Amino acid sequence: KAGVTQTPRYLIKTRGQQVTLSCSPISGHRSVSWYQQTPGQGLQFLFEYFSETQRNKGNFPGRFSGRQFSNSRSEMNVSTLELGDSALYLCASSTRPGLSYNEQFFGPGTRLTVL
Amino acid sequence: EDKVVQSPLSLVVHEGDTVTLNCSYEVTNFRSLLWYKQEKKAPTFLFMLTSSGIEKKSGRLSSILDKKELFSILNITATQTGDSAVYLCAVPTGTASKLTFGTGTRLQVTL
Repeated sequence: KAGVTQTPRYLIKTRGQQVTLSCSPISGHRSVSWYQQTPGQGLQFLFEYFSETQRNKGNFPGRFSGRQFSNSRSEMNVSTLELGDSALYLCASSTRPGLSYNEQFFGPGTRLTVL
Repeated sequence: EDKVVQSPLSLVVHEGDTVTLNCSYEVTNFRSLLWYKQEKKAPTFLFMLTSSGIEKKSGRLSSILDKKELFSILNITATQTGDSAVYLCAVPTGTASKLTFGTGTRLQVTL
C-alpha cells in the first residue's frame, strides 16, 4: 500500500507570493490533516478535512487555507507569504476522524523556504 | 489552553545507555497520548497509550502513562545509533485527528 505522498518536496518562494501544496492520502483514507513544523514552535495543527469539509482549524491566520477533493486528495494554500512561513509542512491521513483515536500516517513533508 | 511539554529538549548518550524521555500534558477531555519518532521527515508512530499504568512495549522501547499525574515516559534500553531522532509526544485535542504536539526531545546516540 503506497504511503502518504506530498508534492512538491521542496519549494522556494519570495515574500508576497502564494503557494499551493498537495497531499495524497493512503488509499482508503478519507481524513487529511495538515501541520506546520518549525524549529521554534514545533509541530502545530493547521486544519483537518474529511469528506471535502473542513472539520477543525488551528490558530493560523486566514492566509492559510485548504480544501479537499472528492478523491480525498487535499491541497493547502498560503497567500501573501511571509518569512515566518518558512517551515516543513506535513500532511497526515487517517481512515476517518472521530472521538476515538485513528492512527495518523504522515507524509514526507514539503519544505517551504520564503526569501 | 491545551499544553504538551517534553523534557529534556535534547540528550546525548553513548551506545548501550538507557534513556528516559518525559512528556507531561494539560488537556481537557483526555483520551490518549501518542509517541512518534521523527528521523528525517515523516514522524512514524510508536505507541498509543490510553490506560494508566499499563506498559506498552516494542523491542527495546517501552512507554507508560500516569493519568493521575498527567505524564508519560518513553524508555529506550541498550540504545543504538539508529535510535538517534527526535521523539515527539502528542495528545488528540478536539477531534481525534487534531494532535497537539510537544516540542520534542532530540536524542543523539554516539559510539
